[in-house]
Amino acid sequence: KQEVTQIPAALSVPEGENLVLNCSFTDSAIYNLQWFRQDPGKGLTSLLLIQSSQREQTSGRLNASLDKSSGRSTLYIAASQPGDSATYLCAVRPSGSQGNLIFGKGTKLSVKP
Amino acid sequence: EAGVVQSPRYKIIEKKQPVAFWCNPISGHNTLYWYRQNLGQGPELLIRYENEEAVDDSQLPKDRFSAERLKGVDSTLKIQPAELGDSAVYLCASSLEGNTIYFGEGSWLTVV
Repeated sequence: KQEVTQIPAALSVPEGENLVLNCSFTDSAIYNLQWFRQDPGKGLTSLLLIQSSQREQTSGRLNASLDKSSGRSTLYIAASQPGDSATYLCAVRPSGSQGNLIFGKGTKLSVKP
Repeated sequence: EAGVVQSPRYKIIEKKQPVAFWCNPISGHNTLYWYRQNLGQGPELLIRYENEEAVDDSQLPKDRFSAERLKGVDSTLKIQPAELGDSAVYLCASSLEGNTIYFGEGSWLTVV
């Protein structure tokens, strides 16, 4: 059974710092991996999608990497801002699941001015 | 382009009462999902539709939960009767052929 773990559960950094959020999964047979952002009281906003054949994806200050063989993904946030404060969720779509996502519990990020 | 629309956003009901949630997916998206998210947890799939067919409902508590997707577009998720443990956020999402999945704002249920 696929399990997704995110470490740390919470992170507090000063504004301007570069940071890395970690995601690990137990079964390397995945179709893709998606990073989401969730603000308090809101739904999930998709940040980046990495297909299993890709190593990384970039969007603005965000860069997500995927190492399928080791079951790991990282989300790198450059020059963090207070507006980046949110919970970041990692989710994998197992191969053959035809769409179902398996989520981690998320990392709650706080960027202090 | 409008995103995934859900209603109601918030609902407070007494236990044993029924409740229904509605979802309108992104236009043209053939796959629709209902997820449940408990506090401090990641979302967990309840049911997935491909067009109007429920292709994965293995995690749906069928004794009290039901769902339908009429004409392969809008969907309704119903709970009857609600229990205290059903308090959670119910998230609807949609995608086109298994690509990026887009979520709605969620329906926040409190059962008292």
